[in-house]
Amino acid sequence: AQSVAQPEDQVNVAEGNPLTVKCTYSVSGNPYLFWYVQYPNRGLQFLLKYITGDNLVKGSYGFEAEFNKSQTSFHLKKPSALVSDSALYFCAVRDIGGDDKIIFGKGTRLHILP
Amino acid sequence: GAVVSQHPSWVICKSGTSVKIECRSLDFQATTMFWYRQFPKQSLMLMATSNEGSKATYEQGVEKDKFLINHASLTLSTLTVTSAHPEDSSFYICSAIFGTSLYNEQFFGPGTRLTVL
Repeated sequence: AQSVAQPEDQVNVAEGNPLTVKCTYSVSGNPYLFWYVQYPNRGLQFLLKYITGDNLVKGSYGFEAEFNKSQTSFHLKKPSALVSDSALYFCAVRDIGGDDKIIFGKGTRLHILP
Repeated sequence: GAVVSQHPSWVICKSGTSVKIECRSLDFQATTMFWYRQFPKQSLMLMATSNEGSKATYEQGVEKDKFLINHASLTLSTLTVTSAHPEDSSFYICSAIFGTSLYNEQFFGPGTRLTVL
């Protein structure tokens, strides 16, 4: 069965600094990877996805993520953090060729300090 | 992007009553919708996959008789929490896939906060 790990419960970054939110995954087939963001008492908003092709994926709000097959990682990055980026971020994986379910990580709370 | 709505956004009910939550895809047809449950400071737990015109597929440990799912049309899925109890209090979120390709991302509703007294 597939799994996804977000090793950090919380990440604190000063405004203007680069940010990274970590995600690693385990699948039996080919991974289909997503990042979503959740604001308080709201549903999830799609940020970006990786299916195939370029390992560096660009998404909404200036976010990007790099797929690293050898390290089975899909870390979310942004060159310069904004206070408005403060939210809960979820990594998710769909195991194409496996049981095909979408599994979410436990989430990482990102705090951008002004 | 595609829009998914949920109604109501919050509901408070007495123990033993039933509550229906609606999930609508507003500007696209969704063959498949998903229902999730989220506990405070925790991740989303997939409860069931709802397919239009067929029975929902429930995840292990989810009581199908308690959480009734109906996907009557390509734009509407409903989750009914029957005989609700305080432990059913949670944030329920639905999502829908735009189109039929499994490679398409999910679009999430804003969630429904259920409080059972």
